[in-house]
Amino acid sequence: EIVLTQSPGTLSLSPGERATLSCRASQSVSSSRLVWYQQKPGQAPRLLIYGASSRATGIPDRFSGSGSGTDFTLTISRLEPEDFAMYYCQQYGISAFIFGQGTNLEI
Amino acid sequence: QVQLVQSGADVRMPGASVKVSCKASGYTFTSYFMHWMRQAPGQGLEWMGRIDSNGGGTHYQQKFQGRVTVTRDTSTSTVSMELTSLRSEDTAVYFCAREMPGTFYFDHWGQGALVTVSS
Repeated sequence: EIVLTQSPGTLSLSPGERATLSCRASQSVSSSRLVWYQQKPGQAPRLLIYGASSRATGIPDRFSGSGSGTDFTLTISRLEPEDFAMYYCQQYGISAFIFGQGTNLEI
Repeated sequence: QVQLVQSGADVRMPGASVKVSCKASGYTFTSYFMHWMRQAPGQGLEWMGRIDSNGGGTHYQQKFQGRVTVTRDTSTSTVSMELTSLRSEDTAVYFCAREMPGTFYFDHWGQGALVTVSS
């Protein structure tokens, strides 16, 4: 079973700074199936990035995704106040969807 | 616009069952899979299973096999998830989310429904 490990667990930054979030898979995965979500307290997750690097509809271009194999990255180029939230990566493995444990991006 | 509207919060006794519904609108219901995830308090997301809204075929995570049943009603564009033999560890917010088959991502989510299991 594939395990997704996100790091860091918590990332403390300020508005205007650059954020780099990591998602590492326990074995090589298909880039086409690597996804990133943002979740704010009390809300459902929101799709940010699919296929490792494609932005979902309406997602600002300060969000970008990259990576392949076992290492994937979500980058937020210049943090806005509304970007402080939890971020999850997700992969479709062997007949199951798997989520990382999340990175808490805090001010 | 696409909307997935879930039923409200529920409280159940240990050993009981719960059924959470998810009513879809704003798109062709039968063109998408509907998935169920859950999130225990302060924890991450866990995928439970999905249904093909067209043919009705289901696929569940092994952990929930035998305890979860997902059904759909195409006449009302509603998907329901029933979880049986509830225990305290099942206390969580349950989300439905749609997937265009073969894309492997969830582009719209329901608002979530808190299920509390407590005696």
